[in-house]
Amino acid sequence: DVKVTQSSRYLVKRTGEKVFLECVQDMDHENMFWYRQDPGLGLRLIYFSYDVKMKEKGDIPEGYSVSREKKERFSLILESASTNQTSMYLCASSSSRGTDFTDTQYFGPGTRLTVL
Amino acid sequence: AQKVTQAQTEISVVEKEDVTLDCVYETRDTTYYLFWYKQPPSGELVFLIRRNSFDEQNEISGRYSWNFQKSTSSFNFTITASQVVDSAVYFCALTLYNFNKFYFGSGTKLNVKP
Repeated sequence: DVKVTQSSRYLVKRTGEKVFLECVQDMDHENMFWYRQDPGLGLRLIYFSYDVKMKEKGDIPEGYSVSREKKERFSLILESASTNQTSMYLCASSSSRGTDFTDTQYFGPGTRLTVL
Repeated sequence: AQKVTQAQTEISVVEKEDVTLDCVYETRDTTYYLFWYKQPPSGELVFLIRRNSFDEQNEISGRYSWNFQKSTSSFNFTITASQVVDSAVYFCALTLYNFNKFYFGSGTKLNVKP
């Protein structure tokens, strides 16, 4: 079974704090993704990575950065958290390569982030 | 442009009823993939099925079945003899070959009452 884990299920941070969300997958997948999910807006792609140290912007990258130093780990960074970044964050991984998204994306349990 | 429409925002049924969740997609590409995911209250998206555009065979997996019809651009999902544990939000999604985007529908919330 594919296993995608996220470092926290719930997180509460203050405005201006630097926030790290960690994601680890155990299937040697090439591609990893970060989404945020908001009521009425659905799932939106923030960033994806198709290899170590490689990243591509998704639909809403503003206010976020990412890091992929090892194949199994993909981190989402909020440099200076703001209240409008309160959301559910979902990490996913896939055996797709490069910009081909046709393989199944397997998701982690999500992190509910609240920024006060 | 690509689009996935799940017109049913919320459905409520009583346990043991059959229920069908609709998914209509739009694309001009001939090679594409369709998915269904389940999101229970815990939040994790659970993969249910992946189907490519060249395989129109219906699929059955236990109480779950999927009806793929290219003529109507639909990929509907039926749960037979629903159970309370089926209560979740269900998402339909579309992606194209060699294209870096996953198009999710807005989801259908299914409430199964005992």
